[in-house]
Amino acid sequence: QQQVKQSPQSLIVQKGGISIINCAYENTAFDYFPWYQQFPGKGPALLIAIRPDVSEKKEGRFTISFNKSAKQFSLHIMDSQPGDSATYFCAAVRGFNKFYFGSGTKLNVKP
Amino acid sequence: DADVTQTPRNRITKTGKRIMLECSQTKGHDRMYWYRQDPGLGLRLIYYSFDVKDINKGEISDGYSVSRQAQAKFSLSLESAIPNQTALYFCATSDSLTDGNTIYFGEGSWLTVV
Repeated sequence: QQQVKQSPQSLIVQKGGISIINCAYENTAFDYFPWYQQFPGKGPALLIAIRPDVSEKKEGRFTISFNKSAKQFSLHIMDSQPGDSATYFCAAVRGFNKFYFGSGTKLNVKP
Repeated sequence: DADVTQTPRNRITKTGKRIMLECSQTKGHDRMYWYRQDPGLGLRLIYYSFDVKDINKGEISDGYSVSRQAQAKFSLSLESAIPNQTALYFCATSDSLTDGNTIYFGEGSWLTVV
């Protein structure tokens, strides 16, 4: 059973548009929710992360929105650029121990 | 040089052969992981090790084994490779003493079993 469900599987956005990727989880024991960005030929790298005691975190053009009651969180990329084209993974972490990753979203930002 | 180095980066092997993927890290982290990436399935944990004497199975350990030879080295073995083990494999590390919530990945090893 997948611990973290991610959608959509792929996403095409025009340059300057907003990219939105959604994730949902069931286990309320998760206490940390990171997003990882993966470029072709590279390993995933931490992009931005949030703890469940806040509803939003923003870093530059990247924002995580977190809805604790709905057990959902999402990544918003504002003013999307072709350089943002990558695969994005959400994850949920429980007590420093285990990382559960979503299935990934391949984002293509068209010029 | 990469902080988390995987060798080989690409490998084609035959069904039934034994194959080892090696990982070494210069980050000084205590925790190491092996993940497998498949399209549409994301990253799935194969094995993880919290220190040299600690080895734990992940979600999909069947058909795999690991060895933590030193704090900096963690290898993954496929004793008898089968085609459905064709995938992209990632080694990763984290540091329980500073930021245990961040995991650092290597650049991956493409394994094809024919």
